[in-house]
Order: sequence, then structure tokens, then C-alpha cells
Amino acid sequence: GAGVSQSPSNKVTEKGKDVELRCDPISGHTALYWYRQSLGQGLEFLIYFQGNSAPDKSGLPSDRFSAERTGGSVSTLTIQRTQQEDSAVYLCASSVRDPNTGELFFGEGSRLTVL
Amino acid sequence: GENVEQHPSTLSVQEGDSAVIKCTYSDSASNYFPWYKQELGKRPQLIIDIRSNVGEKKDQRIAVTLNKTAKHFSLHITETQPEDSAVYFCAAPQGGSNYKLTFGKGTLLTVNP
Repeated sequence: GAGVSQSPSNKVTEKGKDVELRCDPISGHTALYWYRQSLGQGLEFLIYFQGNSAPDKSGLPSDRFSAERTGGSVSTLTIQRTQQEDSAVYLCASSVRDPNTGELFFGEGSRLTVL
Repeated sequence: GENVEQHPSTLSVQEGDSAVIKCTYSDSASNYFPWYKQELGKRPQLIIDIRSNVGEKKDQRIAVTLNKTAKHFSLHITETQPEDSAVYFCAAPQGGSNYKLTFGKGTLLTVNP
């Protein structure tokens, strides 16, 4: 597709359930990022992929959060045993691996609500 | 790590007026400063960026200025229009990284017709 695609766009789940959020980056973009956006807050860095490897997982809030990327393309962010504080919009972004470019292309996000 | 402070958190202007949003950063190694615009319910999109080798960059009605000594950079929007209404985020790379951006908390700009 022309842009970064995320699914689902909205997810409502019960506390304690697991959720999977999917990101399909722009074709050819080797760098992929997950950010979290909570109400009134900025964009909080979660994890960065270069190809299939994740050299920086420092932003993952706890061990309930994990992410993988396969084939250098699609990425999945998994949240286990969801808690109410996990409610947020999860944004995925991709970029060309070029340190002189820097632009992040964001998806429209997955809004997660944990009841 | 990098700390980015953004002010004001909300800004309301009349159509045609100018708007200025300011950000400060803490990491002197930072060398790339983008601004993203997020319309309500939409994805953030890059509107302008500046690298540390210049002090100002313009693109039509928007401009960004950078003061590396004081470690602050600002977004200037002139002749504001209602479609400029959005949340604006500044960002700076952490630790000189070319991938890990630290974002400010955003400024909600409202342009009143």
C-alpha cells in the first residue's frame, strides 16, 4: 500500500486478556518503530526494528509487552494480561534507513481500550 | 537521555495571526529537530525539520528556528488558517541517535475564523 497500515483501528478488551496489534510498513522501509500516545501526552517510544532485529527495546513498559517483525516487513506488538493503564493509541511508523532523512511515516494507530 | 519540553500546551489565535511554539531540549549532541502535525483523529505527519548546521528554515507559511547555544527551537506559522488547527509535536533525537526521537507533549493550536 501507499502508507503505513495498522490493524485493528480500535480494540476494546477486558483486563487480563492478551491483544495483538499489527503494522504493515511502507514497502522498502527497513526501519520500523512503535510509539504509544496517551491522552494529553506526547509520543512515547516503545521499540525500534532495523530489518527483523530490534536493537532497541528500551521503551517497552514491562515484560508484558513484546514485539516481533518478520520478513523485514509486518510487525506485531503483543500485550499480555492487559491492564487499564495500557489504554492508549499505539502508533507504528516506518522510515527509509537513511540517517540523513529522518522522516517517520506514521500509521493511523490502533486505539486500545482496556475495561 | 533526551528531555524535550514544549510550550505552550494550548494556543488559540485568530485567523491571519501568527503562532509560535517553542521547544527546549537537553542533549547537546542532538542534531535533528522535526515538527509533526496531527489533525484530530489523524496520523502525525512531518511538516518541517531542521538540522543543526542551519539556524532557520522556511517553507511557505511555516518556519523553524534553532538556537543550539540555548538548546531551543521554535515553530512559526504566519497568516494562520483554520486548517492549521491541530496538535503540533516537536522532537529531538536521543543521544545523537538517528532513529530514536523524543517527542514533546504537544501543542493544541486552534485557529478561530
